Amino acid sequence: SQKIEQNSEALNIQEGKTATLTCNYTNYSPAYLQWYRQDPGRGPVFLLLIRENEKEKRKERLKVTFDTTLKQSLFHITASQPADSATYLCAPGYNQGGKLIFGQGTELSVKP
Amino acid sequence: ETGVTQTPRHLVMGMTNKKSLKCEQHLGHNAMYWYKQSAKKPLELMFVYSLEERVENNSVPSRFSPECPNSSHLFLHLHTLQPEDSALYLCASSQGAGTGELFFGEGSRLTVL
Repeated sequence: SQKIEQNSEALNIQEGKTATLTCNYTNYSPAYLQWYRQDPGRGPVFLLLIRENEKEKRKERLKVTFDTTLKQSLFHITASQPADSATYLCAPGYNQGGKLIFGQGTELSVKP
Repeated sequence: ETGVTQTPRHLVMGMTNKKSLKCEQHLGHNAMYWYKQSAKKPLELMFVYSLEERVENNSVPSRFSPECPNSSHLFLHLHTLQPEDSALYLCASSQGAGTGELFFGEGSRLTVL
């Protein structure tokens, strides 16, 4: 069955450092992969989408990579700030069918 | 300010009650979704509607009954729920089912006593 794995342990880093979050998937050949941010008690907010033919995507301090051979996506936040503290979700998807499946998320805590 | 509004934000109900969750999107999207989020578990896709037609039903128990009267509104009717159904229920919309980013509401926190 399809499986998505994100770092299950919370990630604690110092302000100003780069945070790197991992998303691995198995039994899956997604056409794209999305990353979302979720704050406690709130709905997820879309951050970035990367397609299978793209190696890397950037948006301000965010960078996402997509390696279809390794079946892995890495999500980087450079110059991290305490306001970046949240849970980050990855979601591989297909172009049709509406079936966007989410990983369990990685909780990031950035200390001042 | 989210373009997807969910009501109520919090709901407490007994196992014999009947209640409904409401979702409204103001983004002109044609696909809407219900997800369930339990503590420490991934988001679980429950239902997908595209152009007001149900296209996905992920083996959800019949005590959850969705309704999509038009492309802007989505309901989740609840009856004879179990305590394990307590969770955050999230509504989302997108332009086209499965073709892009999802816009989520803030969720309805349901507690079943």
